Amino acid sequence: GESVGLHLPTLSVQEGDNSIINCAYSNSASDYFIWYKQESGKGPQFIIDIRSNMDKRQGQRVTVLLNKTVKHLSLQIAATQPGDSAVYFCAETSGGSYIPTFGRGTSLIVHP
Amino acid sequence: DAGITQSPRHKVTETGTPVTLRCHQTENHRYMYWYRQDPGHGLRLIHYSYGVKDTDKGEVSDGYSVSRSKTEDFLLTLESATSSQTSVYFCAISESRAHPYEQYFGPGTRLTVT
Repeated sequence: GESVGLHLPTLSVQEGDNSIINCAYSNSASDYFIWYKQESGKGPQFIIDIRSNMDKRQGQRVTVLLNKTVKHLSLQIAATQPGDSAVYFCAETSGGSYIPTFGRGTSLIVHP
Repeated sequence: DAGITQSPRHKVTETGTPVTLRCHQTENHRYMYWYRQDPGHGLRLIHYSYGVKDTDKGEVSDGYSVSRSKTEDFLLTLESATSSQTSVYFCAISESRAHPYEQYFGPGTRLTVT
């Protein structure tokens, strides 16, 4: 079936730097994309979402960019902090379904 | 964790035994989900519920059953546990069809089948 994947399994950054986590998807019918953050020992936490008819959405310190031409999604975290260290998942829904399909996750490590 | 509890938080059981995991929410959300999380696979949907007594299968439902007799409780049963069901199980809830993708997750249950 169609899949949601990630370019890099681990990303290491210095505190204060900007982080960019990438996600490639293959389903051209995807209509929503979601980013989740999962801290060690906890359940995933919703961060931000974007509809397929948008190319950018901003939240608090986070920006999601969607490039439908190349089926690429990214999560940008500004001024990364140690508390941002976690695994980040992208997920997508398609065909009117409200059940997201999750990617495998990228581990973000922030060095003080 | 948005008023979601899971019990037990950890369990070790033997192959062939039945196991029931409980998810309890205090948010009165309509939709509830059970996922399993394994290294290299991310989160995979086992079963979900869209109302009391209304449930449906996810992508990895074989060997699992669910029940929802009350809005607040969603039970996941492993009918005869196998070692391949060793995993971390997460329950999630969501509020409405308008924002169903905004799911809130519980703290997880780590299940080991020996």
